[in-house]
Amino acid sequence: GDSVTQMEGPVTLSEEAFLTINCTYTATGYPSLFWYVQYPGEGLQLLLKATKADDKGSNKGFEATYRKETTSFHLEKGSVQVSDSAVYFCALRAGAGSYQLTFGKGTKLSVIP
Amino acid sequence: GAGVSQSPSNKVTEKGKDVELRCDPISGHTALYWYRQRLGQGLEFLIYFQGNSAPDKSGLPSDRFSAERTGESVSTLTIQRTQQEDSAVYLCASSPSSGLAGGSYNEQFFGPGTRLTVL
Repeated sequence: GDSVTQMEGPVTLSEEAFLTINCTYTATGYPSLFWYVQYPGEGLQLLLKATKADDKGSNKGFEATYRKETTSFHLEKGSVQVSDSAVYFCALRAGAGSYQLTFGKGTKLSVIP
Repeated sequence: GAGVSQSPSNKVTEKGKDVELRCDPISGHTALYWYRQRLGQGLEFLIYFQGNSAPDKSGLPSDRFSAERTGESVSTLTIQRTQQEDSAVYLCASSPSSGLAGGSYNEQFFGPGTRLTVL
């Protein structure tokens, strides 16, 4: 079945450091890929998405590129802020006709001043 | 506007008791989803409602789990005879539609979750 594997946390970075959170997937068909973020005390929010190979999703300084050849969708940000501290989830939705999301286990990011 | 709300935010119960978890989706959203997140695990799909269609219950882990939805509004997830392995955060999400029409994706908006602890 479909699955998502993302790097284990927690990740602790200093403010303005570079962030990478790795995500790889296995899926039948041609999935859409997502990053969700959960800030403390809040619900999951869609951060960015990509629906086809080589698409780059971006939002709030975060980016991720859909790499079909390596089945990856790594999340990056050039300079993290304390306000980026949250749990980040990589997810996929299988191809046409599917609606449920398959999530990774989440990576907790803490950014210290 | 108001987002997805869930109640209670926390629930502690004794093994063997029944619990009900409530989800209020965003008004006008026809699709509603329940997910479960156990400690250290990703979210697991449980059940999906779309309008008046028969729900997709394929993710429910056992017959102790059931869910109802009244029209396109409130949904209740019921767990009977709770077990310790049911301890998890239960998340509800809603979207304007399943995203099937026209092949476009409709974002799922998540509630804050209900943390269930079974002693």
